[in-house]
Amino acid sequence: GAVVSQHPSRVICKSGTSVKIECRSLDFQATTMFWYRQFPKQSLMLMATSNEGSKATYEQGVEKDKFLINHASLTLSTLTVTSAHPEDSSFYICSALSGLLNQPQHFGDGTRLSIL
Amino acid sequence: KNEVEQSPQNLTAQEGEFITINCSYSVGISALHWLQQHPGGGIVSLFMLSSGKKKHGRLIATINIQEKHSSLHITASHPRDSAVYICAVRSFGETSGSRLTFGEGTQLTVNP
Repeated sequence: GAVVSQHPSRVICKSGTSVKIECRSLDFQATTMFWYRQFPKQSLMLMATSNEGSKATYEQGVEKDKFLINHASLTLSTLTVTSAHPEDSSFYICSALSGLLNQPQHFGDGTRLSIL
Repeated sequence: KNEVEQSPQNLTAQEGEFITINCSYSVGISALHWLQQHPGGGIVSLFMLSSGKKKHGRLIATINIQEKHSSLHITASHPRDSAVYICAVRSFGETSGSRLTFGEGTQLTVNP
């Protein structure tokens, strides 16, 4: 079945570092990709939606200069957390949707980001 | 009031029990998803429903569009079914590229 690959699965780094997370659709073309953030014991919070070849649409309150999203191809989207700080520590998960009708949304395994 | 509400929030069962998780929503939808989030965080899409009933192995999902309600059933539950189960809806009329609205999730623990 369809698979979305996300890596790295875990990142631990120092404050001020920029971290890039990759999300790939392995056997389908993802015209739309979603990036979510999840705090412990809470539901997924949508950060941004990206369509291939166009700028991402960010949710209210999400800093676009802080969370850079690139969706340069139909199989790859990246989220870069720039100059990360401890408050950016969280679980980030991507999801991909093909352009075909009535297809489910597929999720990656997530990235646990810890900023020291 | 959330647009998508799940019950119960937490559920503990003994191995072999029949389990039901409920989801109610307050908006018109084009599809409803049941997702499973493993302890490690990864999410698996279990079902996508727009009407009726679907079955996959020991899992059954039903939806009643008129009542805006869906249920996820697990027959002969097993400890490996322990996970968070999330109901999510895509609102009616929006394109396939639109967002999902998520319920808060149901933490299921199945004891041996």
